[in-house]
Order: sequence, then C-alpha cells, then structure tokens
Amino acid sequence: NAGVTQTPKFQVLKTGQSMTLQCAQDMNHNSMYWYRQDPGMGLRLIYYSASEGTTDKGEVPNGYNVSRLNKREFSLRLESAAPSQTSVYFCASSVWGSGELFFGEGSRLTVL
Amino acid sequence: SQELEQSPQSLIVQEGKNLTINCTSSKTLYGLYWYKQKYGEGLIFLMMLQKGGEEKSHEKITAKLDEKKQQSSLHITASQPSHAGIYLCGADGRTDKLIFGTGTRLQVFP
Repeated sequence: NAGVTQTPKFQVLKTGQSMTLQCAQDMNHNSMYWYRQDPGMGLRLIYYSASEGTTDKGEVPNGYNVSRLNKREFSLRLESAAPSQTSVYFCASSVWGSGELFFGEGSRLTVL
Repeated sequence: SQELEQSPQSLIVQEGKNLTINCTSSKTLYGLYWYKQKYGEGLIFLMMLQKGGEEKSHEKITAKLDEKKQQSSLHITASQPSHAGIYLCGADGRTDKLIFGTGTRLQVFP
C-alpha cells in the first residue's frame, strides 16, 4: 500500500517563485493536513482539511494556500516563496477525530 | 491556543538504560498522542491516551497521562539502538487539528 504520497521530495526555489506540493492518500481518510518541520520547532500545522470541501488555517498559515481537490488529494501552494519557508513539509491523513495520523515521507524545500 | 512543551530536548543514553520523556500542556488534554520519527522520515504513531491516569504500553515503551490531564510521560525500558529517533507528543484539544510539541531527540549508543 502506498499510504500517503508526497511530491516532489526535494525542491530548490528562488525567492519570489511559486510552487505546489502535492499530496495523495489511498486510505479513504476524511482528514488531511500539511505541517512544516524546522530545527528545534517540532511540527507546526499550516492548514488542514477535516473533510472534502473544507479547509481551515492551522498555526502558521501565512504565505500558503491549500486546495482539497477531492477526498484523496490535498495540495499546498506557495505563491511567492521566501527564505523563511525553507523547511521540510509533511502531509498527513487520518480518519476524522482519531488522532492517529499517517504521514508522508516529507518534502524538503529550500528557498534561496 | 494550546502549547505543548517537551523535555528534555535531547537525550543521549547508553544501550540498556531506562529513560523518560515528558510532555506538558498549557491546557487540559483531551487526547494526547505519542509519535516517533526516524531521522529523515515521516512520523509513526505510537499510542494515544485520553483518560486521566491512563497508562499504555507497547513493547518496551510505556506512556502515562496524569490525573489532571496536563502532563504525559513516555518511558523506555532497557533502551536499544532501534529506539533512537525524535519523539513528539501531540494534542487535539477537542478539535480535529493535531498540534505537536517541539520534540525530543534520542540517541542510544552501544
């Protein structure tokens, strides 16, 4: 089983460029999440989607947009990348309210 | 907003030793989750605690939630190199979004 798949795994951008991180899950989960992980900061929630058709802001949503394309897919877009967005991004999914999240392998983004 | 603080931030232990990681919440915990992250990989769910005083074990890892539901501890007995990684606690505060603590980096040397 693929579980949660993120693409790309690595990306280097210049300041001001845009890009979209893709995430897909094949576990029929309702909820999907985007987190970023920085050294010493743990995981911080960017946006989440409790169910298809809904999205909500997390702890650090500024500079990001999301789209819940369908039940399987949840994308994260950086419209104008900044060096402060250099991070490792994780997508996760879960059955709504379960607390047991299944994570992708992460996408390492560097903004120069 | 709820905040989770973990201690210690980093831990280096000799194989075979016991260790404890703590997670303290700024608000009452309604669900407390422990995850492990191997270096360079995504997180893996370990266990969930919901009731005050609850204790769960999986292999050599035991987690407890205190009676007041504001602190949890994760205890590893007879540590092994396979226990190395980053341990994170998470909480959902009766919403459907899960926030995490800052993590504890564990290294186990032979």
